[in-house]
Amino acid sequence: SQTIHQWPATLVQPVGSPLSLECTVEGTSNPNLYWYRQAAGRGLQLLFYSVGIGQISSEVPQNLSASRPQDRQFILSSKKLLLSDSGFYLCAWSESGNTIYFGEGSWLTVV
Amino acid sequence: QKEVEQNSGPLSVPEGAIASLNCTYSDRGSQSFFWYRQYSGKSPELIMSIYSNGDKEDGRFTAQLNKASQYVSLLIRDSQPSDSATYLCAVNSNFGNEKLTFGTGTRLTIIP
Repeated sequence: SQTIHQWPATLVQPVGSPLSLECTVEGTSNPNLYWYRQAAGRGLQLLFYSVGIGQISSEVPQNLSASRPQDRQFILSSKKLLLSDSGFYLCAWSESGNTIYFGEGSWLTVV
Repeated sequence: QKEVEQNSGPLSVPEGAIASLNCTYSDRGSQSFFWYRQYSGKSPELIMSIYSNGDKEDGRFTAQLNKASQYVSLLIRDSQPSDSATYLCAVNSNFGNEKLTFGTGTRLTIIP
């Protein structure tokens, strides 16, 4: 069966510091991968999605970036965090581009 | 206009009653529809998917789709306190375009 792992689970970072969130999927090949953000009291916002290694589509202009160095690895990064980057970050995967399954999520607080 | 709309709630339902959650969407070309449950502080988990008009039942859950009215709903029978959560409606507007659009969710509270 397929599993998705995401880390770290929580982190507190000062404004201007870098960020790296990592996600890996097991039990499938060539999955579609996604990064979502859920701000407090708000819906899920799609940040990036990828249909293959090195193929990244950005949905929202921001100071975040994503990379897919391996088939089942997806990384969310920032060089300099803003206060507004605080939120619940969710990695997700799908096989057909249809049903999406989420990882456990990462709580980011920028102080 | 929001692409996927849900009543934010909170919706309070007595234990054992039927909870009815509603969702409307704006894109008539939408093909796939999903309900996710999200407990506080946790990630969303898939409850049901529905692709054709009509009802789809899975245990205590029934999803209903009406494409003509651009409306999808989730019924929870015999509601339990463990059903208390936020329920997210998601829509795939173009089959295979790799993306889902989510509503903001309805917070459901089951009252013992």
